[in-house]
Amino acid sequence: SAVISQKPSRDICQRGTSLTIQCQVDSQVTMMFWYRQQPGQSLTLIATANQGSEATYESGFVIDKFPISRPNLTFSTLTVSNMSPEDSSIYLCSARGGGIGQPQHFGDGTRLSIL
Amino acid sequence: QKEVEQDPGPLSVPEGAIVSLNCTYSNSAFQYFMWYRQYSRKGPELLMYTYSSGNKEDGRFTAQVDKSSKYISLFIRDSQPSDSATYLCAMSAIETSGSRLTFGEGTQLTVNP
Repeated sequence: SAVISQKPSRDICQRGTSLTIQCQVDSQVTMMFWYRQQPGQSLTLIATANQGSEATYESGFVIDKFPISRPNLTFSTLTVSNMSPEDSSIYLCSARGGGIGQPQHFGDGTRLSIL
Repeated sequence: QKEVEQDPGPLSVPEGAIVSLNCTYSNSAFQYFMWYRQYSRKGPELLMYTYSSGNKEDGRFTAQVDKSSKYISLFIRDSQPSDSATYLCAMSAIETSGSRLTFGEGTQLTVNP
């Protein structure tokens, strides 16, 4: 299965600033995803990162707040813009390979705290 | 109503016990069913992956899917302290949906030595 690395692993940021999270996969993958996980809660899909085109956002998430890039088949970034304390969360990247029925694998996440 | 409901826990069992973790769902389009294990401060780790109804066994773990009842289970035999983690069920519909995963809320399991 793919190995997924995220950077940074954690950060503490001031409100109003922006942070870009990087996700690197050790092999080419068909699809990459970004999730948010509040402490002690389940995962909520933010968007699907599409290679070579704009990301597909889930209801409640917008591009201006969470711009996503995916320049190639192994790398993606998520930016959390104009942060507020409500954005304090764990942000997780996942990836899946091609072929029908391939499962998603996750990175260890980025723990973000906003002061 | 949530698409996926998971027994909330937390669950605390003695070492060696058989553990049963359960999820129900409402979307009959779900065909791929997964169990993830998440240790504290780590990302979800894929534990079991099944397609459609039936059982799948991997060592001490057995995943069971009953599509007629919209019910999935994960059984852990001879549970160990190292099994202490949060277990998340997840499921997705047929490929055309883009493999969007819908997760349960997670069950926190503690196995006491």
